[in-house]
Amino acid sequence: AQTVTQSQPEMSVQEAETVTLSCTYDTSESDYYLFWYKQPPSRQMILVIRQEAYKQQNATENRFSVNFQKAAKSFSLKISDSQLGDAAMYFCAYRSAWTSGSRLTFGEGTQLTVNP
Amino acid sequence: EPEVTQTPSHQVTQMGQEVILRCVPISNHLYFYWYRQILGQKVEFLVSFYNNEISEKSEIFDDQFSVERPDGSNFTLKIRSTKLEDSAMYFCASSEVTSGRGTQYFGPGTRLTVL
Repeated sequence: AQTVTQSQPEMSVQEAETVTLSCTYDTSESDYYLFWYKQPPSRQMILVIRQEAYKQQNATENRFSVNFQKAAKSFSLKISDSQLGDAAMYFCAYRSAWTSGSRLTFGEGTQLTVNP
Repeated sequence: EPEVTQTPSHQVTQMGQEVILRCVPISNHLYFYWYRQILGQKVEFLVSFYNNEISEKSEIFDDQFSVERPDGSNFTLKIRSTKLEDSAMYFCASSEVTSGRGTQYFGPGTRLTVL
């Protein structure tokens, strides 16, 4: 079974600065997808970014980018020019590319605080 | 932009009562999911549903849970006899395709409180 680990329960960053959230995972599969979801205080789950394991190029979405290290099974999220609205719980998630109706497996989450 | 909707936003029930949580997935999506999140914990998979049957279920999804797509738009999660430990946020999600290529989009959640 796949596992996802987020070793940073809490992180803080100054507004306009850059912060990196860490995520590691364990799998025996070669093809899979990785995601970062954001959960603000409203508790809605919002997709931030996704990465296909077969792609070497790191995904980017505006101020959000990932550092995907397949051999190390590491998938970190970098938030540049942090804004107050970025404050939320961030979850890393894994999904198999092969299993029908495949589930998302989530990490424990990292609570990000953005200081003005 | 299409989105997943869920009703009610908050449900309070007495232990032992039945509850039905409702979801309207994005209209052209074919795969549907339920997840739950106990307060302060990670999000956990419950069940996936495709073509009017369960594709996969977790160990959490025992006989007290059931899912149904009663019509062309709704997707429901029923808990037959609620327990205190069922108190959680329940999220519905949908995706257009499976095999990982379909990103799962989540609804806003239903907060279930069992007294």
